[in-house]
Amino acid sequence: EVEVAESGGGLVQPGGSLRLSCEASGFTFKSAWMSWVRQAPGKGLEWVGRIKGTSDGGSAIYSAPVKGRFTISRDDSKATVYLQMNSLKTDDTAFYFCVAAVLKPYWGQGTLVTVSS
Amino acid sequence: SYVLTQPPSVSVAPGKTARINCEGDKIGKKSVDWYQQKPGQAPVLVVHDNEDRPAGIPERFSGSNSGNTATLTIGGVEAGDEADYYCQVWDSGPDPWVFGGGTRVTVL
Repeated sequence: EVEVAESGGGLVQPGGSLRLSCEASGFTFKSAWMSWVRQAPGKGLEWVGRIKGTSDGGSAIYSAPVKGRFTISRDDSKATVYLQMNSLKTDDTAFYFCVAAVLKPYWGQGTLVTVSS
Repeated sequence: SYVLTQPPSVSVAPGKTARINCEGDKIGKKSVDWYQQKPGQAPVLVVHDNEDRPAGIPERFSGSNSGNTATLTIGGVEAGDEADYYCQVWDSGPDPWVFGGGTRVTVL
């Protein structure tokens, strides 16, 4: 059974940093493309970025609002993908979901990031 | 960038059929996923690749896609179907995942 679980959310001040983790199981992780999607309170879903499977080169791309501030990386030995968030803004406050693309998308339950002073 | 347009809300009586449209340029040439999201929960995939239902999703949920409109149809609507529904496509533009703005389904 495919499972995806995010962790690392919390309260951070504007300008601060936070690293989210997403641990996955139930599939061949190294070949899976992994994405992050966020949802601000009361708003719709917004794609943040994705990283290719290692066998496909492992490169990452990002949405315009987070490009240059967020970095996605992966550790295949731990079946974990990370979202490093720097220079955080109040607009980054949201639930962050990790999604595994394995034939069809599998979502985690999300972790809340609150950027506030 | 690619844009998907959904109606903000749809209201339907119990037992009737709800149809939610998702409009996009030549969306019929793309693969569309549909998600159901209830308050405080993560989105749940209810239709994959235009018309495939994941395991555990009732047959009442079906999808179609042609021309400039994709449609999620919920037959025999139940109170438990009250939720926000989002369409999503893969795109070759700068944002590979594009979501519609979401449709709130209210069961009268």
